[in-house]
Amino acid sequence: EIVLTQSPGTLSLSPGERATLSCRASQSVSSNYLAWYQQKRGQAPRLLIYGASSRATGIPDRFSGSGSGTDFTLTISRLEPEDFAVYYCQQYGSSPLTFGGGTKVEIK
Amino acid sequence: EVQLLESGGGLVQPGGSLRLSCAASGFTFSSYAMTWVRQGPGKGLEWVSDITSSTGSTYYADSVKGRFTVSRDNSKNTLFLQMNSLRAEDTAVYYCAKSHQWLPFYFDLWGRGTLVTVSS
Repeated sequence: EIVLTQSPGTLSLSPGERATLSCRASQSVSSNYLAWYQQKRGQAPRLLIYGASSRATGIPDRFSGSGSGTDFTLTISRLEPEDFAVYYCQQYGSSPLTFGGGTKVEIK
Repeated sequence: EVQLLESGGGLVQPGGSLRLSCAASGFTFSSYAMTWVRQGPGKGLEWVSDITSSTGSTYYADSVKGRFTVSRDNSKNTLFLQMNSLRAEDTAVYYCAKSHQWLPFYFDLWGRGTLVTVSS
């Protein structure tokens, strides 16, 4: 099983700042099959990024994904008020599918 | 409208059973793998079970294997999760999610979730 470790656990930033979230895999993720989701309090997760770097439909271009192998990054170029939420990475390159523990982006 | 709607959650005693349903609409349900993901109170996301679209092959997390059974009725566009021998640690919001393809993959559509509470 591939274990995904997200860091930091919490990121305290102000609107307009840049957010950089990390997701590290215990072994290489096949074909860079790595997705990112956003979850706001009381809501279901929403797909942001798939294939490590492709934005899902309707996702603003301030969200970008990068990385390969075992190290992946989600970057939010300029935080908007609606971006403060919890973010999860997920690998789908091997079974079982696994999620990271999440990074909370909170208002400083 | 493209959506997933879970139902069937509630309060159940340890050792009891519950059957969750997920009604799909707005897309060709039979063409996609479907997944159950749960989230314990204040915790992260945990994959529970998958079912593929065509062959109906099923997969389970070790934590639920032998106790939970996933199934689907493509004629009714509905996904199910039969949960037996429930434990306190099964307490969570259960989400159904649509895979992007016929095999478990990334999830491009999620339901709003249904809460399962296992307690005496």
